[in-house]
Amino acid sequence: EVQLVESGGGLVQPGRSLRLSCTTSGFTFVHYAMSWVRQAPGKGLEWVGYIRSKAYGGTPEYAASVNGRFTISRDDSTSIVYLQMNSLRTEDTALYYCSRAYMEGYFDYWGQGTLVTVSS
Amino acid sequence: EIVLTQSPGTLSLSPGERATLSCRASQSVYNNYLAWYQQKPGQAPSLLIYGASSRATGIPDRFSGSGSGTDFTLTISRLEPEDFAVYYCHQYGGSPWTFGQGTKVEIK
Repeated sequence: EVQLVESGGGLVQPGRSLRLSCTTSGFTFVHYAMSWVRQAPGKGLEWVGYIRSKAYGGTPEYAASVNGRFTISRDDSTSIVYLQMNSLRTEDTALYYCSRAYMEGYFDYWGQGTLVTVSS
Repeated sequence: EIVLTQSPGTLSLSPGERATLSCRASQSVYNNYLAWYQQKPGQAPSLLIYGASSRATGIPDRFSGSGSGTDFTLTISRLEPEDFAVYYCHQYGGSPWTFGQGTKVEIK
């Protein structure tokens, strides 16, 4: 059974940093791209970024709203994907979902999300 | 960036009725790499359709996707009580990937 479990969310002050983790199981992690999607309270889905599988170079792509502040990385030895968030802003407050990007594209599995609240 | 515009914002229908949801892209979506997701309150989204028209595993055949280029449609042929939810389209044909703003299907 495919499982994605996010962790690391919490309350953080503006300008500070936070690192989210997504621990996966039930599939061959190295073969898949992984993505982060967020949802502000009461709002729609926003793609944050993704990291390609090793076969496609393992490189990341980001939304313009987080480019230069957020970094996605992966550890294929432990099947974990990370989202390092720096210089956090109040508008980064959201539920952050980890998802598996099948064929380097659509999201076929999702975690339950971890809540990040940026507030002073 | 490809902007996806979903319409209508809210669709008020009764169980058994047909629902037609639209997703229009600001430019052509490469290879029709367009997916649809369903999200119920308090839950993560779940995949319904990928590649514009292919149903994901386990999705009932009352859900169908169609369209190409810039105009895509999700049709629910006969609404079941569990289908009342928010639906999002998502293009993965070009970076940055983007989502539509969502269509809420509510009980009339």
